[in-house]
Amino acid sequence: AQTVTQSQPEMSVQEAETVTLSCTYDTSESDYYLFWYKQPPSRQMILVIRQEAYKQQNATENRFSVNFQKAAKSFSLKISDSQLGDAAMYFCAYRSSFRNGGATNKLIFGTGTLLAVQP
Amino acid sequence: NAGVTQTPKFRILKIGQSMTLQCTQDMNHNYMYWYRQDPGMGLKLIYYSVGAGITDKGEVPNGYNVSRSTTEDFPLRLELAAPSQTSVYFCASSYRLEETQYFGPGTRLLVL
Repeated sequence: AQTVTQSQPEMSVQEAETVTLSCTYDTSESDYYLFWYKQPPSRQMILVIRQEAYKQQNATENRFSVNFQKAAKSFSLKISDSQLGDAAMYFCAYRSSFRNGGATNKLIFGTGTLLAVQP
Repeated sequence: NAGVTQTPKFRILKIGQSMTLQCTQDMNHNYMYWYRQDPGMGLKLIYYSVGAGITDKGEVPNGYNVSRSTTEDFPLRLELAAPSQTSVYFCASSYRLEETQYFGPGTRLLVL
């Protein structure tokens, strides 16, 4: 079974600085998707970034980028020029690809990292 | 588009009561999901649906039921509420299996 581990329960960053959130996962599959979701105090789950395992290029969305190391099964999120609005719980998630066969609807979540942004 | 909407936002139930959590999406998504989030934890899949009339169990289906009579709606039913069902419930949807899931704002449920 696949697992997702976020080893940093809490992180803090100064406004305008850069922070990296860690995520590791365990799987025997070769084809899958990885996600970072943001959950602000409003509790809405907001997609931040998505990575397809068969793509070697790291995904980027404005100030958010990932460092995807497939062999090491590592998927870290880098937030550049941190803003006060970035303060939230961040969840790393895994989903298998349909190319592995069978239904693959389930997102597997880590336990989250609470990010505080200091003014 | 309103996206994924959920009602109610918050509810207190007594043990043994029943209720239905509503979820509606206006994006014409085929796939819909129900997750629960316990304090300090990630989300766990309760049930999902791949289209109208088709539902299947996720990781933690016990104590819940679902139906999918239309593409837009995917209600979650709790028949006999228990304290262990105190949680935040999220509905999500996606257009295709490979597409990103988009989440509603959540329903906080407290069973006393």
